[in-house]
Amino acid sequence: QVQLQESGPGLVKPSETLSLTCTVSGGSVSSGNYYWSWIRQPPGKGLEWIGYIYYSGYTNYNPSLKSRVTISVDTSKNQFSLKLSSVTAADTAVYYCARGLLGTSGYPLAYWGQGALVTVSS
Amino acid sequence: SSELTQDPAVSVALGQTVRITCQGDSLRTYYASWYQQKPGQAPVLVIYDKNNRPSGIPDRFSGSSSGNTASLTITGAQAEDEADYYCNSRDSSGNHLVFGGGTKLTVL
Repeated sequence: QVQLQESGPGLVKPSETLSLTCTVSGGSVSSGNYYWSWIRQPPGKGLEWIGYIYYSGYTNYNPSLKSRVTISVDTSKNQFSLKLSSVTAADTAVYYCARGLLGTSGYPLAYWGQGALVTVSS
Repeated sequence: SSELTQDPAVSVALGQTVRITCQGDSLRTYYASWYQQKPGQAPVLVIYDKNNRPSGIPDRFSGSSSGNTASLTITGAQAEDEADYYCNSRDSSGNHLVFGGGTKLTVL
């Protein structure tokens, strides 16, 4: 059973860069059948897709966040990471990492981490 | 278009059937996935590619699609089905993902 676990600072200052890592166990980030994604959820609000990465390093980002987002993968550590620059209070959210299934119509996200709350505040 | 639209709230009597809908232009091309999220928990995939259930999801959950509308049906709703439900799919470009705003399901 694949498991994902987010890690990183829970508090980030405005204008700084938010950095999170997702460690994958029970599966390999090098598998070509899947993609690896970040999703966030502000307190009391809905889900927002941030972006995804294939094991090859190919990425796609939410157009509304694209200028500030970088997602990378480290196959040697079986991890993938999120960097979001120039954060403001509006970036305060629970950040989820998830594994998505390629070769399907809608690219479903079948496995999710438990989520990490990141608060942007001075 | 990159939007998926859901009704904010729906209620159902215990044991009855409820349908939750999701509308968007991209659903004419791509199937929707559906997620259940309970308070303080991560979302759980319940339906994907129109009507596929992951292992462990009860068969009272089913999906369907017609035109620009995807639907999640719960047949014989249980108290434990009370949750927020989100649809998602690819946008019309096929390169990005998009989520609906979510539907809060209350089981009366």
